[in-house]
Amino acid sequence: DQQVKQNSPSLSVQEGRISILNCDYTNSMFDYFLWYKKYPAEGPTFLISISSIKDKNEDGRFTVFLNKSAKHLSLHIVPSQPGDSAVYFCAAIGNTGTASKLTFGTGTRLQVTL
Amino acid sequence: GAVVSQHPSWVICKSGTSVKIECRSLDFQATTMFWYRQFPKQSLMLMATSNEGSKATYEQGVEKDKFLINHASLTLSTLTVTSAHPEDSSFYICSARSLYSNQPQHFGDGTRLSIL
Repeated sequence: DQQVKQNSPSLSVQEGRISILNCDYTNSMFDYFLWYKKYPAEGPTFLISISSIKDKNEDGRFTVFLNKSAKHLSLHIVPSQPGDSAVYFCAAIGNTGTASKLTFGTGTRLQVTL
Repeated sequence: GAVVSQHPSWVICKSGTSVKIECRSLDFQATTMFWYRQFPKQSLMLMATSNEGSKATYEQGVEKDKFLINHASLTLSTLTVTSAHPEDSSFYICSARSLYSNQPQHFGDGTRLSIL
């Protein structure tokens, strides 16, 4: 039962354009969401997060949007840079029984082309 | 700050061998550490939550006798894959929770385990 889903396994964007990565969740108990960037053979690196009491959080080139009614969040990267090429995971935390338990999506591989 | 070190980064061993992976929080004390496993092109799946000084809490479907977790100090948790078989080959990642960080978990760089 995949409670956090990233339906696009891959995305290709031209340098300088906007990258939009999407994530859907099914568990209404999730109340905190995070995006991680991951390179092969490395651990995830935290990018940005958002609490369920907000609908937008911005940090430099990264903006996360949350639509609670749709149980949907997205990560916008603008402008996209070649160094952004990696796998991006969304993750969720909630009152699901285990404190700080992260539930990860399946990941989206972003390729930023020149 | 909040650096997590994982060792070894890559291990290859014969089937039937037991393999120990270490996870250390280098500059903070971690009362809680987490162990994940990632198969190729799949999500990170939580295996167990490790609490210092107590037994680990395993996720459903994870064999606790197969994956032994020890969290004897506030800076070290170990995962031992006992009698490893080829199907145990995977990427294992630990994370640690710092009470003084705005991030819920800080991740190590992972261990690639290959069982021949």
